[in-house]
Amino acid sequence: GEDVEQSLFLSVREGDSSVINCTYTDSSSTYLYWYKQEPGAGLQLLTYIFSNMDMKQDQRLTVLLNKKDKHLSLRIADTQTGDSAIYFCAGAPNTGFQKLVFGTGTRLLVSP
Amino acid sequence: SQTIHQWPATLVQPVGSPLSLECTVEGTSNPNLYWYRQAAGRGLQLLFYSVGIGQISSEVPQNLSASRPQDRQFILSSKKLLLSDSGFYLCAWTEGQYSGANVLTFGAGSRLTVL
Repeated sequence: GEDVEQSLFLSVREGDSSVINCTYTDSSSTYLYWYKQEPGAGLQLLTYIFSNMDMKQDQRLTVLLNKKDKHLSLRIADTQTGDSAIYFCAGAPNTGFQKLVFGTGTRLLVSP
Repeated sequence: SQTIHQWPATLVQPVGSPLSLECTVEGTSNPNLYWYRQAAGRGLQLLFYSVGIGQISSEVPQNLSASRPQDRQFILSSKKLLLSDSGFYLCAWTEGQYSGANVLTFGAGSRLTVL
């Protein structure tokens, strides 16, 4: 089945760019997603990308997809302390039913 | 607009006691419903999903069970809790008709501590 991997931790300074990386194994995922989890809360969808796209930009967020290497990244420009959270990437293997497979999450810490 | 509610938000239970976590969705019909568990320092594991009333699929063998007595209600249960059941439980839903990105929307979660 699908396996999704992320680095566990990233620390940046306020105002810098953050890049969170993710690799996945199942190339049948039609969509790939980024979710954000603030402390003690549920997951909130940030953005998603269709598998036939290479890049998607949404305000401070840029998603890059390299299908050949099965690599997904999330870039946050001008990172703010409010961006500190856990970020999950997820794929939806083509099983005919929407069952997302999540990575372990990357904890982003933004220091002033 | 659609909303999803989970309760209780926090629960501390002794080993061997029963469990019932409830999730309801408003503003939609025939949603797909999911229970995920997030253990400390780990990612999300899909436990159960349901495509309709009384229809439950289990993803992993475990001490828990799920039920869907009504279209927009999803319940996670256990008859006897184990220490290993501790974690953060998240309910989620998607539109019943699979189309497009079909985004998964999560509740606020229920934190279970088994002592």
